[in-house]
Amino acid sequence: SFELTQPPSVSVSPGQTARITCSGDALSKKYAYWYQQTSGQAPVLVIYEDTKRPSGIPERFYGSSSGTMATLTISGALVDDEADYYCSATDTSGIPYVVFGGGTRLTVL
Amino acid sequence: QVQLQESGPGLVKPSETLSLSCTIFGDSINSAFWSWLRQPPGKALECLGVLHYSGVTRGTTNYHPSLANRVTISADMSKNQFSLDLRSVTAADTAIYFCARVQSPQYDYYMDVWGRGTTVTVSS
Repeated sequence: SFELTQPPSVSVSPGQTARITCSGDALSKKYAYWYQQTSGQAPVLVIYEDTKRPSGIPERFYGSSSGTMATLTISGALVDDEADYYCSATDTSGIPYVVFGGGTRLTVL
Repeated sequence: QVQLQESGPGLVKPSETLSLSCTIFGDSINSAFWSWLRQPPGKALECLGVLHYSGVTRGTTNYHPSLANRVTISADMSKNQFSLDLRSVTAADTAIYFCARVQSPQYDYYMDVWGRGTTVTVSS
């Protein structure tokens, strides 16, 4: 089955580098996408097609992918980066549909 | 700037149909694909389906396999809106429901604009 696995939580101090992983067999063939969801807000796309940043997303957000794992790296994390982060990919083995990972709570303190 | 706004009842009785609408501002429904997603309390995001309203696949709607027999996503071009109907709801359908614009490069889907979400509770 098409599953994406994320660690439930990651914690860093302000200014440190945060790395959030997303693993799944499908990622060896499919792009990963990353969304940031701050408390009570709608998700915001921060990385698309593994590595690309939408307009307006700070350069400290960096996406990479190798084999069956995609990684979202936040360099010099800020307190404002504290949020839930979700990866996603599209299962195209049949009728296409989006699969999300379980989400990672990033704590910056 | 593209904005999406969800609307609909916040309380639905078990076994009834949950119906929501999403109004699109700053874009045309003809220009892209559109989606409904949800997030149960304390849980992850789930995409209910994607409506193709542009391109060669216009008219296609792809639903999440586990919900395909209960969900319908449709569009009203005259109102620049699209809608969600989820039938035979149970407490497990209690969630924040989001509408979103979908980009689809190379058969992938990703959501680049989201509505603020609307909370729907299923309870008698």
